Amino acid sequence: AQTVTQSQPEMSVQEAETVTLSCTYDTSESDYYLFWYKQPPSRQMILVIRQEAYKQQNATENRFSVNFQKAAKSFSLKISDSQLGDAAMYFCAHTPYRGSQGNLIFGKGTKLSVKP
Amino acid sequence: DTAVSQTPKYLVTQMGNDKSIKCEQNLGHDTMYWYKQDSKKFLKIMFSYNNKELIINETVPNRFSPKSPDKAHLNLHINSLELGDSAVYFCASSREFSGNTIYFGEGSWLTVV
Repeated sequence: AQTVTQSQPEMSVQEAETVTLSCTYDTSESDYYLFWYKQPPSRQMILVIRQEAYKQQNATENRFSVNFQKAAKSFSLKISDSQLGDAAMYFCAHTPYRGSQGNLIFGKGTKLSVKP
Repeated sequence: DTAVSQTPKYLVTQMGNDKSIKCEQNLGHDTMYWYKQDSKKFLKIMFSYNNKELIINETVPNRFSPKSPDKAHLNLHINSLELGDSAVYFCASSREFSGNTIYFGEGSWLTVV
């Protein structure tokens, strides 16, 4: 069964500091995609970053970057220069390249607090 | 303009009622989805439609019936609502399935009393 595990239910970071959210997944597929979504109190699900498993280079989007370790099935999210607006639930998600029909499998989320 | 819009955003209704949530996307995507987020914030797919054809139907009671009149719309109808149906329901869409970014609507918060 395909699963996504986020082992940190809650995290806290000081404004302007760096924080890393962990995610591990389990799949038997060789080609797949990984995502981090952010859900602020407004409940909107916002894509933060996307990684294609066949790409060895880690994805980066401004202050957000990932550490993708395919062999270890690990996909952590690093937020640099944390801002108050980064406070939200962060969900790691996974979908196989083929056969999943777009079925995103989500982890249970990490609640990130940012302290001023 | 909102890319994926769903209505209503909030809905409070009594047990046993029938209700619908509407969803429209203006992104030109072929695939649309319904996800459910429970009280513990766990997100799980319910249905997936590709070009108006049902692709995924996860273990969902048959009181839930999706309807896709065209590929830009995917509505969710729920019969005989139960307390356990209280959740946030997210509509979403993607250009095609299998790995493309899925764009979510703002969610519809359903409370059954």
